[in-house]
Amino acid sequence: GQNIDQPTEMTATEGAIVQINCTYQTSGFNGLFWYQQHAGEAPTFLSYNVLDGLEEKGRFSSFLSRSKGYSYLLLKELQMKDSASYLCAVTDSNYQLIWGAGTKLIIKP
Amino acid sequence: ETGVTQTPRHLVMGMTNKKSLKCEQHLGHNAMYWYKQSAKKPLELMFVYSLEERVENNSVPSRFSPECPNSSHLFLHLHTLQPEDSALYLCASSQDRTTGANVLTFGAGSRLTVL
Repeated sequence: GQNIDQPTEMTATEGAIVQINCTYQTSGFNGLFWYQQHAGEAPTFLSYNVLDGLEEKGRFSSFLSRSKGYSYLLLKELQMKDSASYLCAVTDSNYQLIWGAGTKLIIKP
Repeated sequence: ETGVTQTPRHLVMGMTNKKSLKCEQHLGHNAMYWYKQSAKKPLELMFVYSLEERVENNSVPSRFSPECPNSSHLFLHLHTLQPEDSALYLCASSQDRTTGANVLTFGAGSRLTVL
């Protein structure tokens, strides 16, 4: 079966760095997404990786290793507004989106 | 308005009621989706419409009935629901569902409670 694993919850301190991991087992691979979802709001697109390596976008970076079936989202200089759930999703060989259950990130002052 | 708009934001209904959720997108996208989001579970894809044609129906019970009258509007008709159907229902749209880089734009969701 197809599966995406990510931690259920993480806690970090304002101003620090946090890494949210995502591992996947899918039928084929056509890219990996990270979305951010604040409580009571719509998920919003953060990043898309299809090739191995690190993609940096401001305070957020996303890394992909296709051979290991692994990605991480790195958040630097954490702010209170970064408290949210982070959803990892993979597009399989049929262009179906397979979703993880999300990681709830709690930022403490 | 821009983006994807869902109404109502909150809905409480009894098991014998009939209600509908509405979704509207102003992005000129070709595909629209209904997802179910339950706590601590992955998003569950319910239905996909591409150019107003239903292209996916993921074994969803018949008490959920989608309707896509045009490329900008999507409805989810609800009838004789069960308490386990209580969840957040998310609508999304995208430009092209047949590419790897298929970025979805989501609405804020309709929080459904079935009593």
